Amino acid sequence: DAKTTQPPSMDCAEGRAANLPCNHSTISGNEYVYWYRQIHSQGPQYIIHGLKNNETNEMASLIITEDRKSSTLILPHATLRDTAVYYCIVSRENYGQNFVFGPGTRLSVLP
Amino acid sequence: GAGVSQSPSNKVTEKGKDVELRCDPISGHTALYWYRQRLGQGLEFLIYFQGNSAPDKSGLPSDRFSAERTGESVSTLTIQRTQQEDSAVYLCASSLLAGVGEQFFGPGTRLTVL
Repeated sequence: DAKTTQPPSMDCAEGRAANLPCNHSTISGNEYVYWYRQIHSQGPQYIIHGLKNNETNEMASLIITEDRKSSTLILPHATLRDTAVYYCIVSRENYGQNFVFGPGTRLSVLP
Repeated sequence: GAGVSQSPSNKVTEKGKDVELRCDPISGHTALYWYRQRLGQGLEFLIYFQGNSAPDKSGLPSDRFSAERTGESVSTLTIQRTQQEDSAVYLCASSLLAGVGEQFFGPGTRLTVL
């Protein structure tokens, strides 16, 4: 599976949009981009995933560049409860999804 | 149950002892995964079960680690002759079908080896 690169930490003001970047320059055509987050002392929580089209759900939006070498997770109105470590993962579907979780981005939402 | 459950939530053991960690996946989920998370680090994949297929054990760090799953239900991760470096949170996840959408994670078991 392709490797991902994320900034180690980011701050965001409460109520503002949080934009979390992820580079995955070696992604291949059959690999999906997944985002999970882990709030302190809890198991990871699925946020969203996509292949090449932008995706939106009740939690977030995922913007994938046309060349698919990078993506951005957008939390449109960050709240204090969004403070967590956010993981960007690239994985082939139908391959058991033994995800490789890197160190992620620690997002701090500030009041 | 409504989600993935794991037991115990915390386990303290002495070096050299064996431990068993339990995972109850969401009912109907055919895929089950075990991960390990050391303090301040990301998750490491350990093992994956899909239905009645042979499990993917490629992430198990040594032969002291083993896991079993009964059909499409409970799984047990066993660590024999525990070492201090085994101290970590052990997370279990399940998904409806392998390769489809999200994995649902349990709260984890925090293992401390003294």
